Amino acid sequence: GAVVSQHPSWVICKSGTSVKIECRSLDFQATTMFWYRQFPKQSLMLMATSNEGSKATYEQGVEKDKFLINHASLTLSTLTVTSAHPEDSSFYICSVQGDMNTEAFFGQGTRLTVV
Amino acid sequence: GQNIDQPTEMTATEGAIVQINCTYQTSGFNGLFWYQQHAGEAPTFLSYNVLDGLEEKGRFSSFLSRSKGYSYLLLKELQMKDSASYLCAAMDSNYQLIWGAGTKLIIKP
Repeated sequence: GAVVSQHPSWVICKSGTSVKIECRSLDFQATTMFWYRQFPKQSLMLMATSNEGSKATYEQGVEKDKFLINHASLTLSTLTVTSAHPEDSSFYICSVQGDMNTEAFFGQGTRLTVV
Repeated sequence: GQNIDQPTEMTATEGAIVQINCTYQTSGFNGLFWYQQHAGEAPTFLSYNVLDGLEEKGRFSSFLSRSKGYSYLLLKELQMKDSASYLCAAMDSNYQLIWGAGTKLIIKP
């Protein structure tokens, strides 16, 4: 299966600052990557679909100006949480899928804490 | 709307068998996935069903009934390391994964 590397694994930042999370597909060229957010004891919630070379597709209720996604190459997508607030504290996970109806491979996740 | 239902929490004894149920409603269907997620970690793939029936993989088996919108994950010979959350996810007609909230499985000695 695909190997997905996500960095950093955890980050603590001050309220009002920005944080960038990287997601790399190490052995698979991913035209599409998915960004999820998971609050404690809750399900994975899809935030956006990152498309290589074009704009990301955001889910309803997700602010595109706050969560900036860049997918400049087939192996790298980044999520930047701008002007972070304590309520943005969560577990952020990226994933890639091989063919259309195959399993999703996940990065290790990033635990973001905004203080 | 699209919806996935699974129990919030289950408790079982080491060495026993446990069945985690999942019902789904999606716009179109391209398969049902089960993932295991330990606390603070990303989910890891367990199984995929797209046809009716039982898929067995070692101690874990997964069943699907498309007509009933129902799946279950069966874990045999439970070990303490099986304590985790188990996520059910259905893939809709757009090949998007719709996730359940997860079932927290507690294994007792």
